[in-house]
Amino acid sequence: DSGVTQTPKHLITATGQRVTLRCSPRSGDLSVYWYQQSLDQGLQFLIQYYNGEERAKGNILERFSAQQFPDLHSELNLSSLELGDSALYFCASSRQGNTDTQYFGPGTRLTVL
Amino acid sequence: GQQVMQIPQYQHVQEGEDFTTYCNSSTTLSNIQWYKQRPGGHPVFLIQLVKSGEVKKQKRLTFQFGEAKKNSSLHITATQTTDVGTYFCAGRSDTNAGKSTFGDGTTLTVKP
Repeated sequence: DSGVTQTPKHLITATGQRVTLRCSPRSGDLSVYWYQQSLDQGLQFLIQYYNGEERAKGNILERFSAQQFPDLHSELNLSSLELGDSALYFCASSRQGNTDTQYFGPGTRLTVL
Repeated sequence: GQQVMQIPQYQHVQEGEDFTTYCNSSTTLSNIQWYKQRPGGHPVFLIQLVKSGEVKKQKRLTFQFGEAKKNSSLHITATQTTDVGTYFCAGRSDTNAGKSTFGDGTTLTVKP
């Protein structure tokens, strides 16, 4: 158990819908990262937050947005969902966000029908 | 932008054989991390290398960081079925504002 929690574990929805994925980092970690992993694919970095502020941005679509709240939990919002958005979404956290180890949550499996 | 490439993409070995995966960066790295993801699981941190030429061992696993800090390798001696999974490297460049770039991973299968 990495100490990072993600909810929900599974999510099934329809095209065009909007969903919110939630992540609680390890106690004391200030940085949160979001990744997308499609079937048998690598980890695609989406976005990183550090202590409430956006720190780095990857290949995140305009239909996707994220935020980190004062209590340091983070939410990833996916809207106008398409079939191709079906994937595992991982959240990871680290102490500071630079050279620190990333601890991954169990992931949310999103299925878009 | 920074690119991190891993080879091979897949490796199938007989139990007891050795396995090596290589990670190459287009830019000099300040550190490199290795993660393992078991089938159906999430990536789990294995190790971090920081110094040029650094070698670290964890039981049957040997990790190396190249002298130029642009490549790294993970070698497993005498693979076991518990070694199956995907091994990812993640490199952080000083010019990349703190973001680590993950390689695409090497998926290892071990035949008993």
